[in-house]
Amino acid sequence: AQSVTQLDSQVPVFEEAPVELRCNYSSSVSVYLFWYVQYPNQGLQLLLKYLSGSTLVKGINGFEAEFNKSQTSFHLRKPSVHISDTAEYFCAVRTNAGNMLTFGGGTRLMVKP
Amino acid sequence: DSGVTQTPKHLITATGQRVTLRCSPRSGDLSVYWYQQSLDQGLQFLIHYYNGEERAKGNILERFSAQQFPDLHSELNLSSLELGDSALYFCASSGGWATGELFFGEGSRLTVL
Repeated sequence: AQSVTQLDSQVPVFEEAPVELRCNYSSSVSVYLFWYVQYPNQGLQLLLKYLSGSTLVKGINGFEAEFNKSQTSFHLRKPSVHISDTAEYFCAVRTNAGNMLTFGGGTRLMVKP
Repeated sequence: DSGVTQTPKHLITATGQRVTLRCSPRSGDLSVYWYQQSLDQGLQFLIHYYNGEERAKGNILERFSAQQFPDLHSELNLSSLELGDSALYFCASSGGWATGELFFGEGSRLTVL
């Protein structure tokens, strides 16, 4: 079975500063990796995904993530955050034999002016 | 707008009661997933249906059941409700294995008093 760990439950950051949200996964087979964002009172929206190929994945709203197989990580980064990026971010994993997403516990990004 | 529709958006009921949550997947999607989001448990996978057939079960209580109908909409039935069942219930749909991503509805917030 696979599992996902998001190391930080909350990340406060000032506007226009860079941010990294950490995600580590555990799986004995190949995985697909995802980052979702949840704005207050809304559902989850896909930010980006890694299925195969280049390990650097670019997503919406200026976010990117890098898949590191040796470290079993898929950290999310943004070089300059905005107030509107304040939200909960979820890392998720799906195996190529599985049929559902396993989510991490989420990281609340709080962007301060 | 993800294209996944969930009703009702909010529901308040009493302990011991039964409720039904409804989900209409994106047009053409055959897979429907149900997730429960609570503060203490995070996002938990409940159950997956594909074209009317149950494909996988997660941490779904015996008091809970689901089905997917021929028109592909799905219902999640929660019975003998307890205070701890208060949560946000998400439905998600997907088109197939290749993309791997799930499209989420905005959720049904259940409050059990």
